[in-house]
Amino acid sequence: DAGVTQSPTHLIKTRGQHVTLRCSPISGHKSVSWYQQVLGQGPQFIFQYYEKEERGRGNFPDRFSARQFPNYSSELNVNALLLGDSALYLCASSSGDGPYGYTFGSGTRLTVV
Amino acid sequence: GESVGLHLPTLSVQEGDNSIINCAYSNSASDYFIWYKQESGKGPQFIIDIRSNMDKRQGQRVTVLLNKTVKHLSLQIAATQPGDSAVYFCAENPPFNQAGTALIFGKGTTLSVSS
Repeated sequence: DAGVTQSPTHLIKTRGQHVTLRCSPISGHKSVSWYQQVLGQGPQFIFQYYEKEERGRGNFPDRFSARQFPNYSSELNVNALLLGDSALYLCASSSGDGPYGYTFGSGTRLTVV
Repeated sequence: GESVGLHLPTLSVQEGDNSIINCAYSNSASDYFIWYKQESGKGPQFIIDIRSNMDKRQGQRVTVLLNKTVKHLSLQIAATQPGDSAVYFCAENPPFNQAGTALIFGKGTTLSVSS
């Protein structure tokens, strides 16, 4: 059984550009959450989606947006990239809308230059 | 020895020793706690969880202790092995609010196991 898959694995962007990160949850999982992990720190919550609806939003600027598709995959979009957006972006999926049974993907390493 | 609630950013042990990793959580109303292991280049991997109505839970070679009085969580790893070397994070789930069912992660502890 495939785990949570994220693409791309690595990405380099220039300040001011836009980026789209993708996540495919474990088959049967309906909830997807996004986290940002800056080097040396713990992951920080960005968004949660369950059944294609936004269920939670962390303390991130409006430059960050996300959506969930009918097949439960998800995209995270970041506009007007800043150097400080450089981080590992993690996606986690679970079957219900709670944090139980969270499974994380390996992440997308975004570098903004 | 370590004081309750003291977070150490790094912990070095010998193979076969028992390891204790501590974590202080922030919200006294949090009702669910998880320990994760994160190896270099990978996402966090679930180790063990505990709900707030328990004070101890055991898994295979791991035990989690919860002290709600001082908002402290610990992870005990028995007979630590080189493969246990990683960064360990505790995470708490505060009551449902505008952040949904977000997890709040603590500061990580880097465990180094030498053979």
